[in-house]
Amino acid sequence: KNEVEQSPQNLTAQEGEFITINCSYSVGISALHWLQQHPGGGIVSLFMLSSGKKKHGRLIATINIQEKHSSLHITASHPRDSAVYICAVGSLGGATNKLIFGTGTLLAVQP
Amino acid sequence: KAGVTQTPRYLIKTRGQQVTLSCSPISGHRSVSWYQQTPGQGLQFLFEYFSETQRNKGNFPGRFSGRQFSNSRSEMNVSTLELGDSALYLCASSLQPGPGRIQYFGAGTRLSVL
Repeated sequence: KNEVEQSPQNLTAQEGEFITINCSYSVGISALHWLQQHPGGGIVSLFMLSSGKKKHGRLIATINIQEKHSSLHITASHPRDSAVYICAVGSLGGATNKLIFGTGTLLAVQP
Repeated sequence: KAGVTQTPRYLIKTRGQQVTLSCSPISGHRSVSWYQQTPGQGLQFLFEYFSETQRNKGNFPGRFSGRQFSNSRSEMNVSTLELGDSALYLCASSLQPGPGRIQYFGAGTRLSVL
């Protein structure tokens, strides 16, 4: 079993829909990251969370440390949101950049 | 401010050869991490460098090595290439290492081993 699990693996939505991507992890963590990867490979960091909730534009990320679970929400989805969304955790144990990644969620938003 | 620059963007090599990939971090960033991305295994941590020292290494064979220079630029080397080394290799930089640090990723080097 992977240490970081994401669901769903694939998601197709209509423009304007509310989207939720889930991430569960089994290790102790210092921080959780949500990343976005567009075709061609480039990865952009969307959020870094250690507790609570963060919002940036139409994107909202939440984390529940006790339940070892995080969600990424996209409100009023748009075709430009189509990408792979990756959850990654930085485990406990010092000042390291090492991340453990989920397998990603491929999101397609249709006009 | 320029982003993370990786060169080359694409490489084709044959089995048994060796390859060197380069990463120039964002100016002022002293921590560089390398990741491998394959369709089968997804993204995996290779190693990280800070102040020219390797601080952590992922579960990869010794054929994978790297180094960091005094200007924080980093290189990774793969010797005796195998077909399974075909992947997208991503470099990321941050001001300092730490799980709560935002990492800025380069566009990657896509390596094909024939």
